[in-house]
Amino acid sequence: DTEVTQTPKHLVMGMTNKKSLKCEQHMGHRAMYWYKQKAKKPPELMFVYSYEKLSINESVPSRFSPECPNSSLLNLHLHALQPEDSALYLCASSQESREQYFGPGTRLTVT
Amino acid sequence: GQNIDQPTEMTATEGAIVQINCTYQTSGFNGLFWYQQHAGEAPTFLSYNVLDGLEEKGRFSSFLSRSKGYSYLLLKELQMKDSASYLCAVSRSGGGNKLTFGTGTQLKVEL
Repeated sequence: DTEVTQTPKHLVMGMTNKKSLKCEQHMGHRAMYWYKQKAKKPPELMFVYSYEKLSINESVPSRFSPECPNSSLLNLHLHALQPEDSALYLCASSQESREQYFGPGTRLTVT
Repeated sequence: GQNIDQPTEMTATEGAIVQINCTYQTSGFNGLFWYQQHAGEAPTFLSYNVLDGLEEKGRFSSFLSRSKGYSYLLLKELQMKDSASYLCAVSRSGGGNKLTFGTGTQLKVEL
């Protein structure tokens, strides 16, 4: 099973809302990632969790707050977002430095 | 920092062979990955090279030369469903599996 699941598939939120994106994998991977992808651009790394600890934060604004409750789950908490934050948010997981498996993404629209 | 270059677009004929090149400049090289991404979908893993040489997987092969900072993805017996964006991604050592993606090559397969 090489599946990474993400919920919700689509999300529309206002600039004053608080929402969360969820990601789950059951492959026993100990590294999990959040990426942001704008249309016709490659994915951009936001955060890396390794063994449930945040190991990389790519200077992401504090309105994005990641959380790793356990080795299978990864959340991204959103607060006071801007319209330019509208994008496809992808979660991925990997076994250490091996290939990353991506979830289907959450398409976020900030109004 | 890193610099990863790929051609923006390529067009090929069904049944033919196409080679997509990727050049990179990076420190702490820890492997190179190729991903396929159809419009509106998540990237899917195609191949991984960490040592010099050719890796073959069915219709897809990938080559790496670390001394030249060069890789290519070779697609044989092209099918219409191979029309997609092909992303070259470089992994750097240290602090988790940090992937940086190239801008992607949009491949169009024609009859």
